[in-house]
Parts: sequence; structure tokens; C-alpha cells
Amino acid sequence: QVQLRESGPGLVKPSQTLFLTCSVSGDSIASDYHYWSWIRQSPGKGLEWIGYISPEGRAYYNPSLKGRVDISLETSKNQFSLRLSSVTAADTAVYYCARHWSGYNDYWGQGTLVTVSS
Amino acid sequence: QSVLTQPPSASGTPGQRVTISCSGRSSNIGSNTVNWYQQFPGTAPKLLIYSNNQRPTGVPDRFSGSKSGTSASLAISGLQSEDEGDYYCATWDDSLVEVFGGGTKLTVL
Repeated sequence: QVQLRESGPGLVKPSQTLFLTCSVSGDSIASDYHYWSWIRQSPGKGLEWIGYISPEGRAYYNPSLKGRVDISLETSKNQFSLRLSSVTAADTAVYYCARHWSGYNDYWGQGTLVTVSS
Repeated sequence: QSVLTQPPSASGTPGQRVTISCSGRSSNIGSNTVNWYQQFPGTAPKLLIYSNNQRPTGVPDRFSGSKSGTSASLAISGLQSEDEGDYYCATWDDSLVEVFGGGTKLTVL
């Protein structure tokens, strides 16, 4: 059974960098078939795709985040991570990691709430 | 404001058939497949329908999806109380961005 779990600070100060890790079990992030996504959901609102990364380490991002985002693989730990710089209150959200295959996200982590506040 | 347009709410009584619409453009729904996610309060979204009309293993056949042109629909037949939750459509835009609808809150009366 594939499982994903997000981890990281629940509180980040404005202008600082948000850093989250997604630990994957039941699948290898270095496999040829799946990409690995980050998606967020602001309180009481809809879903926003942040980006994803291929097993070779090629990352694709939502242009709306204007160069603030970086997704990387840590294959030795079977983890992938998200960095979002220069955060503001608008970045307060539940952040989900997910496994992506052929256009859809088939397994999701439980999500982690990140609040941006001083 | 979401790229894909869904009604904010839908409702039905147990046993009824309910449909949820999802409207987009030629650059997203018009040229890519549509997926649907189900979400209950405090939990992560769950894949409900993929590639317009395919159900993952374990999803009851009461749930079905369709797509025509720049719109898609999710139908739930034999509505049950446990179906109450939020439903999101999703697809890809030609600019290689995954886009979502704003979500529809389904209430079982």
C-alpha cells in the first residue's frame, strides 16, 4: 500500500522560507512511472497545484508562484521536498503531497497545515 | 477564482441521482482528460474518477463521469448519506499546469 506523509514546521514567519518533506512508503520515488506532486488548499478554499517532479529530478511549477518554489528529490531517503520562499499570509494553507500518474493524483498524504504569521 | 467552474453547492435525497458540472475552456477540458476528487472535512482529497470516466479500484459504480467538449460532469446515483462532502474536478491546461474547480459541496437531505 502506497503511503505519503508530509512533515515540517506548522508556523513560518512572513518573508521566510517554508520547507516541507514528503516521506513515501510502498513505492520508490526513483521509479520510472510516477511523478511526485505538491498541492495546497487555503482555509475554506479550493485546491491549487504547486508543482511536481519527475523521477529523474526534473521539476515543473505553477507560474502563479512566480519563481518562489523549488521541489527536489531525496532518493536515498525516498522523500521529496518543497521549498517556498518569501512567504506571506496568502501562503497559509494545508499542503498535500501526492503521487502523480498519467494526469491524475492517485495517492495523497494526509496534509499538513502551515500558517504564515509573525 | 478557480480556472474550472463548478456550482458551489448541490443536494439530493437518499436514493436520488445527482450531477455536478465542471466547465472549462478549449485549452484545458477541451484538450485534456478530466479527473474528479472527493473530500470529506479534515481529510485529504481522494481520487474518485480519472481519465473522464474511469473508476479506481474500490470506488462504487454509483459514481460515473463524462466529458463533452469543454465541460465535464460527475453523476452520483443511489445517493447515500456518506456521499456528503466536497467534490472537485481537475484537468491540465495546455500551459502544463494542473487546474482545479472551486469545488461543489454536496448535501444529502
